[in-house]
Amino acid sequence: ETGVTQTPRHLVMGMTNKKSLKCEQHLGHNAMYWYKQSAKKPLELMFVYNFKEQTENNSVPSRFSPECPNSSHLFLHLHTLQPEDSALYLCASSQRGLAGNEDEQYFGPGTRLTVT
Amino acid sequence: GENVEQHPSTLSVQEGDSAVIKCTYSDSASNYFPWYKQELGKRPQLIIDIRSNVGEKKDQRIAVTLNKTAKHFSLHITETQPEDSAVYFCAASIRGNLIFGKGTKLSVKP
Repeated sequence: ETGVTQTPRHLVMGMTNKKSLKCEQHLGHNAMYWYKQSAKKPLELMFVYNFKEQTENNSVPSRFSPECPNSSHLFLHLHTLQPEDSALYLCASSQRGLAGNEDEQYFGPGTRLTVT
Repeated sequence: GENVEQHPSTLSVQEGDSAVIKCTYSDSASNYFPWYKQELGKRPQLIIDIRSNVGEKKDQRIAVTLNKTAKHFSLHITETQPEDSAVYFCAASIRGNLIFGKGTKLSVKP
């Protein structure tokens, strides 16, 4: 167990639904991330939270809305998604130095999302 | 924009042979280069990483080399075993975030 958990593990939703993905890290890290993993594509960074502040929004459509209430929890709120949004959504966490230098990212198991 | 190119996309080797995966990156300011292994249906896990102040790092059967001048780095797996079969991702840090390559599906045939 890497210390990063995600719920739900699988989610099927219609295009008009609203749902949320949850991520929790038990590693005491100060940075959390959302990635999208589609078939035959690299891991795509969506959002970065550093010390609970969003520091990166990688041109993600507004139908994806992140929330980071504290350094241990991260949510991804979903609404009016499209079928092409079907993918594995991975959460990760890491410990960043004051200079923002990168370190190992620990991934959660992911949520397999299917949009019908 | 910044990107990481990874080759090959698939690699099949015989058990006991070596496997080499290569990546190139575009941002000369990148200073951290991790490699992740993702088994089918599982999460990516770090197997080895290297920082820009060293040229090579080894951990048992796994080694990574970095050429900062050419902006490329490679993963070397020696004496491959069937349990090495997985998708391997390289990444480079850019402005503190990781940009991943597209992955290499490694198959080790017994």
